[in-house]
Amino acid sequence: DGGITQSPKYLFRKEGQNVTLSCEQNLNHDAMYWYRQDPGQGLRLIYYSQIVNDFQKGDIAEGYSVSREKKESFPLTVTSAQKNPTAFYLCASSSRVRTGVLSLHFGNGTRLTVT
Amino acid sequence: DQQVKQNSPSLSVQEGRISILNCDYTNSMFDYFLWYKKYPAEGPTFLISISSIKDKNEDGRFTVFLNKSAKHLSLHIVPSQPGDSAVYFCAPPPTGNTGKLIFGQGTTLQVKP
Repeated sequence: DGGITQSPKYLFRKEGQNVTLSCEQNLNHDAMYWYRQDPGQGLRLIYYSQIVNDFQKGDIAEGYSVSREKKESFPLTVTSAQKNPTAFYLCASSSRVRTGVLSLHFGNGTRLTVT
Repeated sequence: DQQVKQNSPSLSVQEGRISILNCDYTNSMFDYFLWYKKYPAEGPTFLISISSIKDKNEDGRFTVFLNKSAKHLSLHIVPSQPGDSAVYFCAPPPTGNTGKLIFGQGTTLQVKP
């Protein structure tokens, strides 16, 4: 079945360590996104990529980095510079259906806890 | 610059009653709007959309209304069921060619049996 796979589901790290969250899709979508969810703050965009080897900062990119070397993969690295890294991270990819509506497909998220 | 705002962080309704979730927007040039539903510890899933040339779109128990003059849309769920308890996000399309997709803050709906 086609979909988006985020791994691992839960991740624990010590403060000061970088950590990379995996996101793989087999939907043949060009665009991919990273969001984080915090209580009461909805979904905030970290980075997005419309095509391989290209990506743009979202609203809260500080302390994060990404790469897009393959169409299927869009890993997110949470660096030690990120002040509040503990959150629920969601990866998504998108395609445009025939009507032109952008349809976003999400993975099931990774819960990162930094202590 | 918040393009969409969901001013009610939470809503509680009785099973069988109507749930109304609201979303205000600022850009009158949006072509359509999307609603997503999210359960805890899962990714959001697409629920329903509405084109800006329509004022209503219905899909089963879910209806979205668009009031362009007020720059306001609302999602109605009738009748509400306990399984509808989730966080609901509204989202406009990306602006220009940026591909940047922004969501509202979300409204947590609780449907009580």
